[in-house]
Amino acid sequence: GENVEQHPSTLSVQEGDSAVIKCTYSDSASNYFPWYKQELGKRPQLIIDIRSNVGEKKDQRIAVTLNKTAKHFSLHITETQPEDSAVYFCAVYSLGGKFQFGAGTQVVVTP
Amino acid sequence: NAGVTQTPKFRVLKTGQSMTLLCAQDMNHEYMYWYRQDPGMGLRLIHYSVGEGTTAKGEVPDGYNVSRLKKQNFLLGLESAAPSQTSVYFCASSYPRLAGGRTDTQYFGPGTRLTVL
Repeated sequence: GENVEQHPSTLSVQEGDSAVIKCTYSDSASNYFPWYKQELGKRPQLIIDIRSNVGEKKDQRIAVTLNKTAKHFSLHITETQPEDSAVYFCAVYSLGGKFQFGAGTQVVVTP
Repeated sequence: NAGVTQTPKFRVLKTGQSMTLLCAQDMNHEYMYWYRQDPGMGLRLIHYSVGEGTTAKGEVPDGYNVSRLKKQNFLLGLESAAPSQTSVYFCASSYPRLAGGRTDTQYFGPGTRLTVL
């Protein structure tokens, strides 16, 4: 089955700096890669996603890059703000309807 | 639209008791999922359904059963609760797009916090 590894598990950044989270996966047939943000006590919320026919996607301060050959994708947050502090999860969609999630990255943005 | 709702929001059980968690969605989604979330372990798939009347096992199905008798509802049952099932349970739904493959955005419910003593 699919195996998703997410790094780092915690990330502390100064406000205004950039944050990068990376996920690797094993199933070459995977074709959809969403990223979720989860604030304490709340549900995961989709923040950006990318499909396998695209190499990069950007939405304001966040971007996702995908390297299908190397089987990894990354979340990039630029000009971080305190409200970016949360747990971020990557996910990989496998054929048959299943999503496999990474273990999460706790991002702390200090003013 | 209410989106994805879960009932109850909180529950405390004693070991050996049974209960059912209800997930409902009003978006006409085909796919529905049950996950559990434990500290440091992300979201792990318990069971899922790709359509009314169908269910399939996920990553951690033991100790749970599910039913999808109606398209809009997905029930998760614990027949004999154990302390290891203390967790936050999230339901999600999605509608597969045929173009480019059967993938689409998942929408999550607010979660159910379950404690088994």
